[in-house]
Amino acid sequence: EVQLLESGGGLVQPGGSLRLSCAASGFTFTSYAMTWVRQAPGKGLEWVSTISGSGASTYYADSVKGRFTISRDNSKNTLYLQMNSLRAEDTAVYHCAKDLVGTPAFDIWGQGTTVTVSS
Amino acid sequence: SSELTQDPAVSVALGQTVRITCQGDSLRTYSANWYQQRPGQAPVLVIYGENNRPSGIPDRFSGSTSGNTASLTITGAQAGDEADYYCNSRDSSGVVFGGGTKLTVL
Repeated sequence: EVQLLESGGGLVQPGGSLRLSCAASGFTFTSYAMTWVRQAPGKGLEWVSTISGSGASTYYADSVKGRFTISRDNSKNTLYLQMNSLRAEDTAVYHCAKDLVGTPAFDIWGQGTTVTVSS
Repeated sequence: SSELTQDPAVSVALGQTVRITCQGDSLRTYSANWYQQRPGQAPVLVIYGENNRPSGIPDRFSGSTSGNTASLTITGAQAGDEADYYCNSRDSSGVVFGGGTKLTVL
């Protein structure tokens, strides 16, 4: 069964850091780009970042550029999101998602992990 | 970055056909994808590459594009189709999502 399982969310103070993980199973992880998408409470979906299958290429939304770093460990089938200098507006459920080859269509999603930035 | 605009809410009578639209300049260049999100659940891809359905998505769901507007059409709407629907596409700086449309089945 194809599955994505996020972890690492929690409550953090403004300016703090957090690292999210996404464990993948049921598919050839290294063959696919992977993406983080977030959803603030009561709001819509927002693309955060994408990394290529090899990890050589990364892309970021302007809202997180310079603060967040996406990475992957293909030997562990795991995707990461290092989040630094967190702000209240980063509060959201963070989903990892698998990309369909060659498109920004995300065909497999994890259930998400909640990040709350508050003092 | 570019934007994708969706109507915030749309309603449809049970068994009827509904069209949900998504408007944006990026759609003149890139294909739209569509997601269904039921309350408390992760999004599910229902249409990709303008009009392709992933395995398991019924053929009641279809997509199309004209100019800068993409449409998701649901034929014979069912109670289980009540959900939020989001479009997305590539844009010049990465990926963009529409604001979402809440579909109510009456």
